[in-house]
Amino acid sequence: EPEVTQTPSHQVTQMGQEVILRCVPISNHLYFYWYRQILGQKVEFLVSFYNNEISEKSEIFDDQFSVERPDGSNFTLKIRSTKLEDSAMYFCASSSGGGELFFGEGSRLTVL
Amino acid sequence: RKEVEQDPGPFNVPEGATVAFNCTYSNSASQSFFWYRQDCRKEPKLLMSVYSSGNEDGRFTAQLNRASQYISLLIRDSKLSDSATYLCVVSRYSSASKIIFGSGTRLSIRP
Repeated sequence: EPEVTQTPSHQVTQMGQEVILRCVPISNHLYFYWYRQILGQKVEFLVSFYNNEISEKSEIFDDQFSVERPDGSNFTLKIRSTKLEDSAMYFCASSSGGGELFFGEGSRLTVL
Repeated sequence: RKEVEQDPGPFNVPEGATVAFNCTYSNSASQSFFWYRQDCRKEPKLLMSVYSSGNEDGRFTAQLNRASQYISLLIRDSKLSDSATYLCVVSRYSSASKIIFGSGTRLSIRP
């Protein structure tokens, strides 16, 4: 069964460092998303990506964040100058449209 | 007002019980509705879509009331394996560009 894969599964970084989280969406999907979930809290929408550009982003997704689809398979989330409050589980998801999301297992980011 | 609101629970019910969750959404232009399930420290997974006419999948029944902007999920004959957090999910646009999750309702089934 096709699945969304994410790497790394866990990353520990120092405050102020840059982090890149990687995702390989399901190959025939057209919509890609990043969500984050701070421990014990809700799943928060960050950004959606379609047709090689951002289609929607939340107020959380400020200039510190960027997304890229550098080739035909990867979808990355870059966080510049990480802050303590960026510590969370980051989920990548993809969809063929219509709203059913397929999530990866997440990348846990710990900022020290 | 939150875009998607749910009772956080926790609901603690005995095995075999029937339990119902409710969810309200604020944007009347919302197009698609779903229930997802999230196990502890795992990714969310689709449980079922919610259709205007209501729909059933085994022990699970979902209802949508567009006039009241209200979605429900009913679980009958609950199993221990139903213990999880249930997430109400709303897609604002038909293009599925922004999909918003409720904060979830935690369910615990006891033997």
